[in-house]
Amino acid sequence: KQEVTQIPAALSVPEGENLVLNCSFTDSAIYNLQWFRQDPGKGLTSLLLIQSSQREQTSGRLNASLDKSSGRSTLYIAASQPGDSATYLCAVRPGTGNQFYFGTGTSLTVIP
Amino acid sequence: DVKVTQSSRYLVKRTGEKVFLECVQDMDHENMFWYRQDPGLGLRLIYFSYDVKMKEKGDIPEGYSVSREKKERFSLILESASTNQTSMYLCASSLDRVRETQYFGPGTRLLVL
Repeated sequence: KQEVTQIPAALSVPEGENLVLNCSFTDSAIYNLQWFRQDPGKGLTSLLLIQSSQREQTSGRLNASLDKSSGRSTLYIAASQPGDSATYLCAVRPGTGNQFYFGTGTSLTVIP
Repeated sequence: DVKVTQSSRYLVKRTGEKVFLECVQDMDHENMFWYRQDPGLGLRLIYFSYDVKMKEKGDIPEGYSVSREKKERFSLILESASTNQTSMYLCASSLDRVRETQYFGPGTRLLVL
């Protein structure tokens, strides 16, 4: 069974800083990987989806990279803003089976 | 914009009650999912469905059942609610097995007393 880990569990940065969130997974045979953000008490919002054949995806100030061989993905946030404060989760779809496996998330606080 | 709605934001039920959680999506998505989210455990898949009347068990199906009679609606049923089913329940949908970006509803916070 795929295990997904996100470290650290919480992160605090000053506004304007560039930052990297980490996601690691145990089985490199994945189909795709998705990054989400979750605001307190709310559902998840999809940020980026990377297919296994891709190395990275970009959306605005966000860039997600994928290194299957090392079982890692990173989410890079440029010029962080207080509105970026949320919990960020990654989810991995293995090469076989139909479900996603989620990490427990990194709680990000951007301090004005 | 894809919209996924859930019938209730908050529910309080008694042990032993039968509980229905409804989820509706408005974008003709084939796939629908039910997750529960608990502190320290993350999201865990209960059931998912990739077509009308089709369902597959996720990691934690015990104590739950599902129904998908129409493409846009996916219901989660707690046959006899127990206190360990107190949780946040999240519904999601995705277009198909190729285009798998998941869109989530706002969640239902269920308290079983």
